Amino acid sequence: KAGVTQTPRYLIKTRGQQVTLSCSPISGHRSVSWYQQTPGQGLQFLFEYFSETQRNKGNFPGRFSGRQFSNSRSEMNVSTLELGDSALYLCASSLGSPPLAGAPNTGELFFGEGSRLTVL
Amino acid sequence: AQSVTQLGSHVSVSEGALVLLRCNYSSSVPPYLFWYVQYPNQGLQLLLKYTSAATLVKGINGFEAEFKKSETSFHLTKPSAHMSDAAEYFCAVSTSGGSYIPTFGRGTSLIVHP
Repeated sequence: KAGVTQTPRYLIKTRGQQVTLSCSPISGHRSVSWYQQTPGQGLQFLFEYFSETQRNKGNFPGRFSGRQFSNSRSEMNVSTLELGDSALYLCASSLGSPPLAGAPNTGELFFGEGSRLTVL
Repeated sequence: AQSVTQLGSHVSVSEGALVLLRCNYSSSVPPYLFWYVQYPNQGLQLLLKYTSAATLVKGINGFEAEFKKSETSFHLTKPSAHMSDAAEYFCAVSTSGGSYIPTFGRGTSLIVHP
């Protein structure tokens, strides 16, 4: 079973530009979450998409946006890049709903290797 | 609301020594608890999880963790550290019936000395 795939792995942008990151979840997973990881702030939740709808959102400005397609693939976009946006962006997929009737959804996540964004 | 506290941003051990990484959680309902490991320039990988079955949970690479409700803790241990265990470790909590979004701790960097 293929894992979570994120592209690109590394990218360099300049302030004011925008960037789009892509994530392909594990087959059968309907939920995709995005996290920003920096040395100072740790792992911060950006948003979660489930069945093409944003279901949960973290505390980030509107410059950060995302979407999910019918095949569960997801993209996130950051506009008007700032130096502080330099980070490792992690995508994680999960079932997103109870796998079986009566069985719990534990929230277990499966992470991609991340996209490392450097803003100059 | 749920939260996680990982005591110690860095833990240093000698190869062959006991590894103990501390995690305390706060949750108003019975939690699901996780430990993830992150190697340099990689994503997070699940080490083990507690989902209300056995309180002592065994994971990959010889790690285990014990759920202690009275102490609201889920500490991660390994009897004998190996150089390859050097990584960042994250504790996380989620709850049933909620948003299914786990809350992560700040992480603990494990340093293993030869």
